[in-house]
Amino acid sequence: GENVEQHPSTLSVQEGDSAVIKCTYSDSASNYFPWYKQELGKGPQLIIDIRSNVGEKKDQRIAVTLNKTAKHFSLHITETQPEDSAVYFCAASRGRLQAQLWSRNVAAGNKLTFGGGTRVLVKP
Amino acid sequence: DADVTQTPRNRITKTGKRIMLECSQTKGHDRMYWYRQDPGLGLRLIYYSFDVKDINKGEISDGYSVSRQAQAKFSLSLESAIPNQTALYFCATSDLPQQGGRYIPDTQYFGPGTRLTVL
Repeated sequence: GENVEQHPSTLSVQEGDSAVIKCTYSDSASNYFPWYKQELGKGPQLIIDIRSNVGEKKDQRIAVTLNKTAKHFSLHITETQPEDSAVYFCAASRGRLQAQLWSRNVAAGNKLTFGGGTRVLVKP
Repeated sequence: DADVTQTPRNRITKTGKRIMLECSQTKGHDRMYWYRQDPGLGLRLIYYSFDVKDINKGEISDGYSVSRQAQAKFSLSLESAIPNQTALYFCATSDLPQQGGRYIPDTQYFGPGTRLTVL
């Protein structure tokens, strides 16, 4: 099965600096890579995702890059702010092709495998 | 996410007790999931359900059971709780894929979590 490793486990940055979190995955068939942010006392929320047919995706101050050959992907947060302090999780899954949409045999394709999480602290 | 609710939010129990954690959603999603979160281990899948008649084991289903009472409700039970089941438990939902597009990103929406302590 898939194995996702995430580094670092904790990251402390000064407000305004950049933060980078890296993940590696083992299953070459994985093609969907979401990132979740978990604030204190809340469940994880999707902040950005990338599919394997794209090498980079940006959304305001956050960006994700994917290197399929090396099987790793990274989250970049620029101009960090105190509200960016949270735990971040990367994940990987096999997104399903159109032809498999209505098949019940999608056990592998529908499951997310998560990394261990990175606690980010942005110091004012 | 207020659309996915979990009860209770906190529970302390003793070894050997039967515990049920409940999840309800108003998103109208067919697919529901139960995860547990432990420090440094991320979220690990316990069980998932694609519809009311479909239940599947995840990677760590031993010691747990589930019930999908309705499209909107998915309960997780610990028949005889043990201390190493102390963890944060999350319910999540996702939608059936829509027509169109080649890849369907299975965005999952998480509830606020239940902190379970087994003494």
